[in-house]
Amino acid sequence: GESVGLHLPTLSVQEGDNSIINCAYSNSASDYFIWYKQESGKGPQFIIDIRSNMDKRQGQRVTVLLNKTVKHLSLQIAATQPGDSAVYFCAENMVGAGNMLTFGGGTRLMVKP
Amino acid sequence: DTAVSQTPKYLVTQMGNDKSIKCEQNLGHDTMYWYKQDSKKFLKIMFSYNNKELIINETVPNRFSPKSPDKAHLNLHINSLELGDSAVYFCASSQAERKLFFGSGTQLSVL
Repeated sequence: GESVGLHLPTLSVQEGDNSIINCAYSNSASDYFIWYKQESGKGPQFIIDIRSNMDKRQGQRVTVLLNKTVKHLSLQIAATQPGDSAVYFCAENMVGAGNMLTFGGGTRLMVKP
Repeated sequence: DTAVSQTPKYLVTQMGNDKSIKCEQNLGHDTMYWYKQDSKKFLKIMFSYNNKELIINETVPNRFSPKSPDKAHLNLHINSLELGDSAVYFCASSQAERKLFFGSGTQLSVL
């Protein structure tokens, strides 16, 4: 399943399935993108990042895809586990904006055992 | 060791009071931030300091005053608290690579 992460929608997946979380970013001048995971009662934690000169980057069980043509970013989580349940945020950084990240609205991922 | 630590974790106070939230990072980063997260989980930048100097000051009421005594600390003082200030406030830090490291948040409830 997939979901657009702008109004804190909820994506519910079965344990072991793959998850896809989508994000539409706002600024074509953005050259750096990052995904964060926020568990209940905690601060956002870095998952994976990607620069605009790439269209795909893989980490451990996670892959980020970047489509600059349509200003779209997605996070794929393979073999989703209960510990993946959290709110996921995409964020963008524009050239010239220093290190300031602008965050999207977040998507809640719920993993059913 | 916690990389970015902020205190207190919870803050419950009456309207009109003045309160402070403290933040310290032991990562050696030059830049620190305050973000506000509302009830819908939306995260918005408030301030950014680089080496004790203010570099970003978004549209935030001047009741909010950040203070950076050194580059490892960025405190947030809030005067005359209002109901709408209730939120979770996150401190963060970063270095040149633009990846932010967040603290665990301070949940502020104004009654």
